[in-house]
Amino acid sequence: KQEVTQIPAALSVPEGENLVLNCSFTDSAIYNLQWFRQDPGKGLTSLLLIQSSQREQTSGRLNASLDKSSGRSTLYIAASQPGDSATYLCAVYSGGGADGLTFGKGTHLIIQP
Amino acid sequence: KAGVTQTPRYLIKTRGQQVTLSCSPISGHRSVSWYQQTPGQGLQFLFEYFSETQRNKGNFPGRFSGRQFSNSRSEMNVSTLELGDSALYLCASSLDWRGVGRTGELFFGEGSRLTVL
Repeated sequence: KQEVTQIPAALSVPEGENLVLNCSFTDSAIYNLQWFRQDPGKGLTSLLLIQSSQREQTSGRLNASLDKSSGRSTLYIAASQPGDSATYLCAVYSGGGADGLTFGKGTHLIIQP
Repeated sequence: KAGVTQTPRYLIKTRGQQVTLSCSPISGHRSVSWYQQTPGQGLQFLFEYFSETQRNKGNFPGRFSGRQFSNSRSEMNVSTLELGDSALYLCASSLDWRGVGRTGELFFGEGSRLTVL
């Protein structure tokens, strides 16, 4: 059974800092890994999708890396802004079976102005 | 291009009732999946559909069921509601399917918030 862990559970930093969010998973047989952000009371917004054959993906100030063999992914946010405040979720897709898409509990991020 | 649309956005039911939630995927997307989000358990996978066929199912009791129509729209049904079914139910769509799995990015709707009294 796939398990996904996100560290830290919560993070508060001043505006402008670069920061790293971590995600680890127990079963390396994955199709892809996707990072999302969720604002309070809202649905999930896709940030980056990394296929199992890829090492990293970049979008603007965001960079996500994937090390499938060690079961780890990191989301790097450069020059953080107050608008980045949200909960960041990592999700691993293992294809068929009851696992489907397995989510971590998320990192609750607050960027102080 | 319209996003994933879920209806209703909010609903209140009492124990023992049943509820049907609807999801319209992004135009052209053929894969739809459903998730339950609660403060205690986080996001949990319910089921996944492609071409009107259920491809995967999570570890939920048989009270939770779903279906997908020929236009890719999907519905999920929860019968004999319990207090613990109170949650945000999220639907997501994706473009395609290959082999045993989805190949593309998932796009989520805003969710249907169910309160069971």
